[in-house]
This record gives sequence, structure tokens and C-alpha cells, in this order.
Amino acid sequence: QVHLVQSGPEVKKPGASVKVSCTASGYTFTDNQMHWVRQAPGQGLDWMGRITPDTGGTSAAKKFEGRITMTRDTSINKAYMELKWLTSDDTAVYYCARAHWFGELSLDFWGQGTLVTVSS
Amino acid sequence: VVLTQSPGTLSLSPGERATLSCRASQPVSNYLTWYQQKPGQAPRLLIYDTSKRASGVPPRFSGSGSGTDFTLTISSLEPEDVAIYYCQQRSGWLIFGGGTKVEI
Repeated sequence: QVHLVQSGPEVKKPGASVKVSCTASGYTFTDNQMHWVRQAPGQGLDWMGRITPDTGGTSAAKKFEGRITMTRDTSINKAYMELKWLTSDDTAVYYCARAHWFGELSLDFWGQGTLVTVSS
Repeated sequence: VVLTQSPGTLSLSPGERATLSCRASQPVSNYLTWYQQKPGQAPRLLIYDTSKRASGVPPRFSGSGSGTDFTLTISSLEPEDVAIYYCQQRSGWLIFGGGTKVEI
């Protein structure tokens, strides 16, 4: 069975960076894109970007370009998302989610979420 | 492209029919995905390719639509269906609707 397990909660000061990990199991890690989605408190889902584990290629939402780095380590089936220059607006739960191409792309398995709190 | 979901909140009684709408600002695809997010949980894939139920999803959930107008229907609401429902499409990147909260 597919499982995505994320790293634990983080508390960061404004201006710092955070790196969230996502460990995949139960499938061939390089077969599916991994996407990152965040959710601010009481808000909806906000797509951040995705990585193709096979090639390492990435694509990020314009609002995060220059601030987000997505990487992977295929030897340990891990995907990472680093966000720099944090502000209080980055306080959110960050999710990794596996993409699956049915007729169109959907996110069929999600990690449990990582709460990142940005506070001075 | 913007996905607009309505209503924002739906308050119904158990056994009633719930109809959730997702409207795209312009045609993107005839495919739409729905997710269910229960309080304190990660989202869960509910419906993909507009009308196909994901594994383990009860048959009371159904999806329909095309072009710019899509609908998620819960035929007979159960207490465990209390959640926020999000629609999603892909237009180069992934776009999510703002969500509809279903209450009992």
C-alpha cells in the first residue's frame, strides 16, 4: 500500500528557511510525480509545485518561483521541499501528494502534512 | 483559470441529497477531480476524471459535468460526510477551487 510520511512540525523565524521531507513507500518512487500543496490556517489548498523523481525536473507556481527548491533522493525514496525567506504568511500545513495520470492528473495519495509556523 | 465552488457552506440533514458545484472561469478540460478533507485530516481523492470514484469511495458519491460546469452529488448524506470538498483541474499547473463545507 502506498504511504507518504512527512517530517515533523517546524517553528521558524521570519527570514529563515524550512525544508520538509516526504518519504514514499509501497510503489516505485520514480514512476510518479510528487506535488507539494500547502494550506494556511482555515484556508483552502494552494498548489506550490512538483518534482519528477525520475529526472529531478521541477515546476513551481509563479508565486513561489525563486523561493522554493524541490529535490529528491531516489536511493531512499525521499522528496524534499525547501522554502526560503519565510514570512508569517507562510505559516501553513504543507502536504506532499503523489500524482497519478488517470485520464487527467489527480493527486491520489497524500502525506499527513507538516505544520510550519513562522513567528518571531 | 479560476475554479469557483458554490455554495460556500451546505447545511443539510442526514439522508438529504447534497449538490456541490464547481465552475471554471474558462474551459480547461472535460476532466475534473474532487477531494474530500475531513477536519484535521489530509485531503483524500474522492472523484477523478469527472465521474470515476476512487478506491473505497461509497457509491452515494457521484460526479458529473463538462466544459466549465461540474457537480459533485452525495445522494444521501451520512454523518461521516461532514467535510470540505475541493475541486481541482490542471492548466499547466494545478488549480484548486475554494472549497464547499458540508455540515449536518
